[in-house]
Order: sequence, then structure tokens, then C-alpha cells
Amino acid sequence: GEDVEQSLFLSVREGDSSVINCTYTDSSSTYLYWYKQEPGAGLQLLTYIFSNMDMKQDQRLTVLLNKKDKHLSLRIADTQTGDSAIYFCAETWGKFQFGAGTQVVVTP
Amino acid sequence: NAGVTQTPKFRVLKTGQSMTLLCAQDMNHEYMYWYRQDPGMGLRLIHYSVGEGTTAKGEVPDGYNVSRLKKQNFLLGLESAAPSQTSVYFCASSYGSGGAQGTQYFGPGTRLTVL
Repeated sequence: GEDVEQSLFLSVREGDSSVINCTYTDSSSTYLYWYKQEPGAGLQLLTYIFSNMDMKQDQRLTVLLNKKDKHLSLRIADTQTGDSAIYFCAETWGKFQFGAGTQVVVTP
Repeated sequence: NAGVTQTPKFRVLKTGQSMTLLCAQDMNHEYMYWYRQDPGMGLRLIHYSVGEGTTAKGEVPDGYNVSRLKKQNFLLGLESAAPSQTSVYFCASSYGSGGAQGTQYFGPGTRLTVL
């Protein structure tokens, strides 16, 4: 996962918005993904965005894609304690490449 | 529809012992993958398969072997376990290799400790 970079840790207060950032390397990546991993569990697909889109919104989740800068972000509105998890971004250009994951801790 | 299942959930081995991890999927997916997850290193691909009877090496294949005799099953073997193989192992499957069909679905993981 070295080619996909994420910050390792994010602390956010309950009710605030969280923004998790990711940079990827291959401009030919067609789809970019966000996965969520809760403690002791596998990875769960949250959402994905096609590379010809700039933004995708799904309830409390907003994905922004800046292809010029190869930057992907996930915004979680009204963050809840159940959002505490590790979030992985991934790119695919024939093979999957995961980032190292961002641990999000939600505090009351 | 159970999705992707893995057995066992936990295992403790002594150095030099062997074991097999089983992954099963009921989604009729062609592609299956084995990853290991270590703290601060994200997911690293060990081996993968693009269909029944096929296997290929991933990023960190040394010390592991795999087999895909049936489309729904993907086995990961450790012939002689080493402490460096202490990790959490995840299996995943996907319909295809790219685009929406390349979306991977993960099992719950196997926590392996090698003493």
C-alpha cells in the first residue's frame, strides 16, 4: 500500500464533520474506493467513485476527487461514535492498491 | 447468502508447524485474494486467483502457497510457519478485476499467531 498515502490518525468530536484524505499515484485509476474496518472485523465497502466524477454524495458521506492533484477525500457529516474505525482508500487500475488506513477516533 | 467466510477465526502455531486457511464465497465471483494486515502497513496482497484452477503471486508471496480447486474456495497454506507470519489474514473476492466489477468483498479475517 505504499503508493497510496493516507494520514494515520484523526480525532474528531461527536457531531462534527470528519475529513479523511488520500493521495494516489496512478492517473489511469478508473475507480477509487473507501472501505471501513471496525475493530476485529473485515473491510466493508463504504462507497466508490468513478474517475470521471468530481463528487459523490451518499447520505452522510461525501467523496471528493481531484484528478489533477490525485487527491481523494471522504467527508463524514455529523460524525457518530459508530464511525470510529479505520478507513482505507484504494485505487484500481487492473490491481487493487490500498492505503495504510486512517484510524478515526470519535470523542464525546 | 453468507458472502465471504473464513475458517478458522483464530489460530496459534509453533514455529515450523503447517496449517491451511480456508476461504469460501457464495457470490459466484471469479477473482479471489489473500491479504495480510500488519499494524501501520495496511493490506498486502499475498496471492490471488483469477479463476478456478489458477493462482498468481502478489506482493508478499514467500512462505505461502495457495490452491483454487473449486471456484468458491481459495486455500492459503503455510508449510513451515515463522514468527514473521504472525498477522491477520483476510480473504476477498470480486466479480472482475476493474471498475465496479472489481469491487472486492472481504471476509472477517483470521488472526494467526506463530510462537
